[in-house]
Amino acid sequence: GDSVTQMEGPVTLSEEAFLTINCTYTATGYPSLFWYVQYPGEGLQLLLKATKADDKGSNKGFEATYRKETTSFHLEKGSVQVSDSAVYFCALIHTGGFKTIFGAGTRLFVKA
Amino acid sequence: DVKVTQSSRYLVKRTGEKVFLECVQDMDHENMFWYRQDPGLGLRLIYFSYDVKMKEKGDIPEGYSVSREKKERFSLILESASTNQTSMYLCASTLKGYGYTFGSGTRLTVV
Repeated sequence: GDSVTQMEGPVTLSEEAFLTINCTYTATGYPSLFWYVQYPGEGLQLLLKATKADDKGSNKGFEATYRKETTSFHLEKGSVQVSDSAVYFCALIHTGGFKTIFGAGTRLFVKA
Repeated sequence: DVKVTQSSRYLVKRTGEKVFLECVQDMDHENMFWYRQDPGLGLRLIYFSYDVKMKEKGDIPEGYSVSREKKERFSLILESASTNQTSMYLCASTLKGYGYTFGSGTRLTVV
């Protein structure tokens, strides 16, 4: 079945460091890919998405590129801030599908 | 701004009580979902609904039921609460094939 695998956390970085959170997926066909962010005590928020191969999703300085050949959708940010501390979830859904498949989440801590 | 609203942020209930968790969305979305989130277990789908009065079991439906009488409202019911149902409950809605909009979550403690 479909699945999403993320790098294990926690990831701890200093402010202004470069961030990469790896995400790979297994799925038939051409799913849409998402990154969600969950701040402490809150629900998840959609951060960015990509719907086809080579698409780049971006938002709030974060970006991720849909790589069909490596079945990956790695999240990157050039310079993290303390306020980026959160849990990040990679996810996929098939076009016209009902259910989203979520990764386990990666916790990010950013130190001042 | 579009919203999914969960009726309670924090809830404490006694073992054996019947518990209702309410979720309302204002986006005219067809699909609504209930998840629970536990440390180390990630997000687990309890039930979802793709239309009024329609429901489908997710991965962990045991001990839960749902109700969707109106398009905008999706209720999760714990028929007889148990301590192993202590968790964060997240409601979400979406149009088919698109990203989810989540509520802020309800942290339920069963004592």
